[in-house]
Amino acid sequence: RKEVEQDPGPFNVPEGATVAFNCTYSNSASQSFFWYRQDCRKEPKLLMSVYSSGNEDGRFTAQLNRASQYISLLIRDSKLSDSATYLCVVNSGTYKYIFGTGTRLKVLA
Amino acid sequence: SQTIHQWPATLVQPVGSPLSLECTVEGTSNPNLYWYRQAAGRGLQLLFYSVGIGQISSEVPQNLSASRPQDRQFILSSKKLLLSDSGFYLCAWRDRGQGWLYSGNTIYFGEGSWLTVV
Repeated sequence: RKEVEQDPGPFNVPEGATVAFNCTYSNSASQSFFWYRQDCRKEPKLLMSVYSSGNEDGRFTAQLNRASQYISLLIRDSKLSDSATYLCVVNSGTYKYIFGTGTRLKVLA
Repeated sequence: SQTIHQWPATLVQPVGSPLSLECTVEGTSNPNLYWYRQAAGRGLQLLFYSVGIGQISSEVPQNLSASRPQDRQFILSSKKLLLSDSGFYLCAWRDRGQGWLYSGNTIYFGEGSWLTVV
């Protein structure tokens, strides 16, 4: 089993739609969780950290479920500019960050 | 504010040639530094990390090496490139702040270097 798993997609959604991604992780000792956005041929950029109580940043909401070992990302009112690959990242409190392979999102006009 | 730069951005190298990618971080001191590789359609693979000058840990056996000659400088090298070394190489840094549960442990990436070995 992979340490961090994501559905690769692509998720094709119309503008204005709400879309959700899930990511599961295998190490129950994981402590920090993040969502990164990666545009084609570019470096990953931090979208948001994921806190235990869940957190929201504008149209983006991240949730953590420790019991089931998954994190989620919800995007409301999708924009064309949201088209990208979304990477789930898990850190177990050491130097090591484990990246998922990413979920590709295409927002269609 | 902190910034990270790596270069060159793109390079095409013949098999058997040497490689040197360089990365520098500004605006912080004593960061953790990382080299990742992302092959086409695949996730990020950690190659090396460093917690201080001259301290390098390797995650996977390969024909690559890394060095940290200065606190904020990280170099990825190879003496002889293989076709399988092609990919997107990313340098990253992380602040060595207090605690693991705060956003201070976010990892930040340089712009990346596209390597094609031919």
